[in-house]
Amino acid sequence: AQSVTQLGSHVSVSEGALVLLRCNYSSSVPPYLFWYVQYPNQGLQLLLKYTSAATLVKGINGFEAEFKKSETSFHLTKPSAHMSDAAEYFCAVSDESGNTGKLIFGQGTTLQVKP
Amino acid sequence: DSGVTQTPKHLITATGQRVTLRCSPRSGDLSVYWYQQSLDQGLQFLIQYYNGEERAKGNILERFSAQQFPDLHSELNLSSLELGDSALYFCASSVGGLAGGLETQYFGPGTRLLVL
Repeated sequence: AQSVTQLGSHVSVSEGALVLLRCNYSSSVPPYLFWYVQYPNQGLQLLLKYTSAATLVKGINGFEAEFKKSETSFHLTKPSAHMSDAAEYFCAVSDESGNTGKLIFGQGTTLQVKP
Repeated sequence: DSGVTQTPKHLITATGQRVTLRCSPRSGDLSVYWYQQSLDQGLQFLIQYYNGEERAKGNILERFSAQQFPDLHSELNLSSLELGDSALYFCASSVGGLAGGLETQYFGPGTRLLVL
């Protein structure tokens, strides 16, 4: 069965430091992969998605992620954290049947940014 | 603002009761998805409707049901509520929903359900 694992439920960085949020997936077919962000008391917002084009995907707010098939990973990075990046981040994989829009989410990683 | 609206924002009810959550998708979107976010289960896919028809089913309990109406809004009905049903219920929409998840899903702000 498909699954997504996000390593680290909480990540804390200083403002200006590198952000690295880890995501590993399992899928029997080439997946579509997504990162969503959830700010307090809001719904999820798409940061970026991998759809089998370029393996390095750039998203909004300076985030990017690299698809590494050999490592089954899709880690999210940002060179310099900003206070406004504090939120919960979810990695997701698309349903491998390819016939639905179903997404399978990881457990989420809460990013704390310290001044 | 994603363009997806959900009502109500908060709902407090008692065990054994029944509630209805409502979702209006973005204009032009044909697919509606329902997700449940809880502390112990995380964010889980419940069900997808495409243009009025059920398209995919996830870990949705038999006590839960959903439908999508001709105007494309959707309702999620939760019955015989239990304490463990307390969660944040999200609705999302996308243009089609048949492209293997290729399309962006736009999420509403959610309905927070508390079962006492």
